[in-house]
Amino acid sequence: QQQVKQSPQSLIVQKGGISIINCAYENTAFDYFPWYQQFPGKGPALLIAIRPDVSEKKEGRFTISFNKSAKQFSLHIMDSQPGDSATYFCAASYQTSGSRLTFGEGTQLTVNP
Amino acid sequence: EAGVAQSPRYKIIEKRQSVAFWCNPISGHATLYWYQQILGQGPKLLIQFQNNGVVDDSQLPKDRFSAERLKGVDSTLKIQPAKLEDSAVYLCASSSNRRSYEQYFGPGTRLTVT
Repeated sequence: QQQVKQSPQSLIVQKGGISIINCAYENTAFDYFPWYQQFPGKGPALLIAIRPDVSEKKEGRFTISFNKSAKQFSLHIMDSQPGDSATYFCAASYQTSGSRLTFGEGTQLTVNP
Repeated sequence: EAGVAQSPRYKIIEKRQSVAFWCNPISGHATLYWYQQILGQGPKLLIQFQNNGVVDDSQLPKDRFSAERLKGVDSTLKIQPAKLEDSAVYLCASSSNRRSYEQYFGPGTRLTVT
């Protein structure tokens, strides 16, 4: 019930292309869904987040799509750049209580020049 | 605004030895989290503090791991005795009362147990 499943495990995209990473959750009580970006040797950095009352949120080149009925959400990176090469984690938590983040397994994104 | 600070950045110890990690959260952040990140996996919460009280330690291996947050600011995570499977990156994160759901992570401490 607490799991968040993420796919693909790794992704290679050409510069300028669209990167898509998918996540699925089980616990319908989750109400906050962030995405984190992690570079080697660094801690995860909050990238963008969504709440289940909206179906899409866009910040610059990054968009989250949320499907509440399917219990799935995805990250789209438009016009992918080599500097976007990193590991991306989806996560879920209970917003109201500032509770633990339950993370997916991570996706290693490589953007080729 | 300074970020979450952690030290040391790297530590190598032998199994059965003890080790301690230190974290200084973002100023004013009441909630502090310790996560364990094993290579190739997402972080997993070990313990959560609200000020100097423990909120969630359900996934902390209490026979060998301990943590404290004296005075509600800095925190220390200790492992004693360490096992080979404790090799991981230990991440500290913090969040404010106003936006408690937004967690900000430090750079982590990479522990290698040989």
